[in-house]
Amino acid sequence: GAGVSQSPRYKVAKRGQDVALRCDPISGHVSLFWYQQALGQGPEFLTYFQNEAQLDKSGLPSDRFFAERPEGSVSTLKIQRTQQEDSAVYLCASSFTRDSLEQYFGPGTRLTVT
Amino acid sequence: KQEVTQIPAALSVPEGENLVLNCSFTDSAIYNLQWFRQDPGKGLTSLLLIQSSQREQTSGRLNASLDKSSGRSTLYIAASQPGDSATYLCAVRRGNAGNMLTFGGGTRLMVKP
Repeated sequence: GAGVSQSPRYKVAKRGQDVALRCDPISGHVSLFWYQQALGQGPEFLTYFQNEAQLDKSGLPSDRFFAERPEGSVSTLKIQRTQQEDSAVYLCASSFTRDSLEQYFGPGTRLTVT
Repeated sequence: KQEVTQIPAALSVPEGENLVLNCSFTDSAIYNLQWFRQDPGKGLTSLLLIQSSQREQTSGRLNASLDKSSGRSTLYIAASQPGDSATYLCAVRRGNAGNMLTFGGGTRLMVKP
């Protein structure tokens, strides 16, 4: 079956621009996570949704970062007024239930801010 | 705050060698530990998941062990092949209810033919 998909796969933004990154989780998956992976480092947690509810946003680095999942399926991560330090790969993961053992990861969106 | 460290950061070995990748974590109160593989430009592929009550898991040429009390896990790769070249990430999970993963920095492995 289809896995987690993300779009766009690559995004180049000029500093100060707003960007929107999309995640399509596996159909029926309740939980959805966003992670940020800087070059040469491991992913770091940004935020977590259970259905449409954002239950944890403790990892969002600043108020320029905003995530939503209005209908409990597709999620969008928005970054306002992008800065160079926002350059990273943004990974989305989903799991079937809140208690599921495994998270399934998408291929990521590579964001480059120039 | 949980911190996860992986050693070495990079490793280059000739084909056929057995190798060990190390992962350590500072807070032993974990729910499970997972090893992932990441290929360039790709997402993460789960290799092995060890529950906190387990000591090890095996899949083919891979074996992962967990010593929760000492905050350590190892990933053993037997008879390495060039196709094993990738970045290997270890991640721990604090609890079950939608808890996020805390990742190490990864080990970049190259297996030379």
